[in-house]
Amino acid sequence: AQRVTQPEKLLSVFKGAPVELKCNYSYSGSPELFWYVQYSRQRLQLLLRHISRESIKGFTADLNKGETSFHLKKPFAQEEDSAMYYCALTGNTGKLIFGQGTTLQVKP
Amino acid sequence: NAGVTQTPKFRILKIGQSMTLQCTQDMNHNYMYWYRQDPGMGLKLIYYSVGAGITDKGEVPNGYNVSRSTTEDFPLRLELAAPSQTSVYFCASSYSAVSYEQYFGPGTRLTVT
Repeated sequence: AQRVTQPEKLLSVFKGAPVELKCNYSYSGSPELFWYVQYSRQRLQLLLRHISRESIKGFTADLNKGETSFHLKKPFAQEEDSAMYYCALTGNTGKLIFGQGTTLQVKP
Repeated sequence: NAGVTQTPKFRILKIGQSMTLQCTQDMNHNYMYWYRQDPGMGLKLIYYSVGAGITDKGEVPNGYNVSRSTTEDFPLRLELAAPSQTSVYFCASSYSAVSYEQYFGPGTRLTVT
């Protein structure tokens, strides 16, 4: 079965600390993986996708097929990074499957 | 471009009432989706459409219906509302399916009492 697991409901860090939001997936084929973000009072939006191998707002994510993980990382958290983060995957059907989401709280 | 718009923003329904959630996109996207977001549960796909006249069920379609008569519009119909349908509903669209970004609307917060 296709599944995305984000084990932490809430991650709280201080400004300047490193951040790692965990995402594990279950999929039998080759998935496409994404991180979506929802800032307060804003709509859900794409943060990054694994095929782009890009860094957005200082965030990176590497697909580890051996560990079936796609963790989101940032070396130095900023207060404006506080938001809800969703990991998601699509398979060959194109339908997005979301994880439960992790709230990142960056304290001053 | 307005992107994806949804109406209404908020609605309170009584058990057994019906309503339609409206969704419109102006990006000429073929693919459109309806999700519901329950606290701590992430987003779950209700229905989706790959083009005008074509719709299919997602993960949680029971209690809902959709239609897609135009590329722009993808309304979601709730018949006989139940408390279990209390949720935040998001509409999204994308140019294609795999690998393409989905653009989300602002959401509709629905309470059924």
